Amino acid sequence: DSGVTQTPKHLITATGQRVTLRCSPRSGDLSVYWYQQSLDQGLQFLIQYYNGEERAKGNILERFSAQQFPDLHSELNLSSLELGDSALYFCASSVGRNTGELFFGEGSRLTVL
Amino acid sequence: AQSVTQPDIHITVSEGASLELRCNYSYGATPYLFWYVQSPGQGLQLLLKYFSGDTLVQGIKGFEAEFKRSQSSFNLRKPSVHWSDAAEYFCAVGAQGGSEKLVFGKGTKLTVNP
Repeated sequence: DSGVTQTPKHLITATGQRVTLRCSPRSGDLSVYWYQQSLDQGLQFLIQYYNGEERAKGNILERFSAQQFPDLHSELNLSSLELGDSALYFCASSVGRNTGELFFGEGSRLTVL
Repeated sequence: AQSVTQPDIHITVSEGASLELRCNYSYGATPYLFWYVQSPGQGLQLLLKYFSGDTLVQGIKGFEAEFKRSQSSFNLRKPSVHWSDAAEYFCAVGAQGGSEKLVFGKGTKLTVNP
């Protein structure tokens, strides 16, 4: 158990819909990262928040957004969903803003039909 | 920007045999290097990491990896594989003192035959 909690574990929705994925980092970790894992693209970094502020941005689509709340949990919002958004979305956390040692949750599997 | 190549998509070994998973990275300076393992239905677990110092690093579950700057490699090894090692293995590179994100390779799936 990494200490990182993600909900929901599975989500099935239709194209055009909007979903929210939630992540609670390990106790004491200030950074939260979101990654997307798909068969063709592998693990792609989406975005990082550190102590409530956006820290780094990767290959995140404009239809996607995230935020980190004062209690440090984070949400990833995916809107106008397309079939190609079906993937496993991982949240990871770390203590600092520059450390590379990430602790991953078990992921949220999104299926868009 | 950094990048990682794991040349082997799938490797099959017999239980008890030795294992080496290859990883090549591209980065202009000294990188942070990591190996993660993902079991089916699970998140990624850190096996080991290299930040600086001794180029041979020991990790959990009997794994080790060697950083070779001249070859831009960070190969993962285990002298004797157990059936429970069957999983997908990811090499990752991060930038020291700068970018916070890790860039992952596409992974190597390990199958262990009894």
